Amino acid sequence: DTGVSQDPRHKITKRGQNVTFRCDPISEHNRLYWYRQTLGQGPEFLTYFQNEAQLEKSRLLSDRFSAERPKGSFSTLEIQRTEQGDSAMYLCASSSRGSGGGQSNTEAFFGQGTRLTVV
Amino acid sequence: GQNIDQPTEMTATEGAIVQINCTYQTSGFNGLFWYQQHAGEAPTFLSYNVLDGLEEKGRFSSFLSRSKGYSYLLLKELQMKDSASYLCALSGGYNKLIFGAGTRLAVHP
Repeated sequence: DTGVSQDPRHKITKRGQNVTFRCDPISEHNRLYWYRQTLGQGPEFLTYFQNEAQLEKSRLLSDRFSAERPKGSFSTLEIQRTEQGDSAMYLCASSSRGSGGGQSNTEAFFGQGTRLTVV
Repeated sequence: GQNIDQPTEMTATEGAIVQINCTYQTSGFNGLFWYQQHAGEAPTFLSYNVLDGLEEKGRFSSFLSRSKGYSYLLLKELQMKDSASYLCALSGGYNKLIFGAGTRLAVHP
């Protein structure tokens, strides 16, 4: 396994167009996250999947954004009617749930991201 | 909320030691992560603290004090390749990470 992969690496689109990004997590990881990062800032959490279930969405995720993980493997993030403010790096990360009961923390592995530019 | 503060920029000399501080205000979190991010690349994991104290991993160490709302990342024997952004992040439910803005470290010869 080569890690988390994202496609495309770069996307330039005109304002008002729809775009879709894909993330392939590390194969045995059941947890998948989307983050958005703008220049000079840390990544901001957007949404979380455990297997195919979307369990948490940030208030940052407007109704123009939708994410899916239909079979609990790869995930897609779609942005409809893009705006210039959507220009950012979109990062996907995956991790595995730790062994044992309760919630234990394991590191998240990030993909290289998709850089979106809306013109 | 979870306000996380880090210095914006730091500079250091090759071979030296640098300490990057992170302070936070939060009602609760599972653990504290440090990630390294080179320009245009993905963040990569450096260290994780869940209990108070020092965690050491080679040239990198991280410290956490929950009572003081404080962590630091210590980098020893600095190399030019250590020039990068260093991100402090708190983990909450579902391992969701809340990041600070990051500290850009420039290592000079």
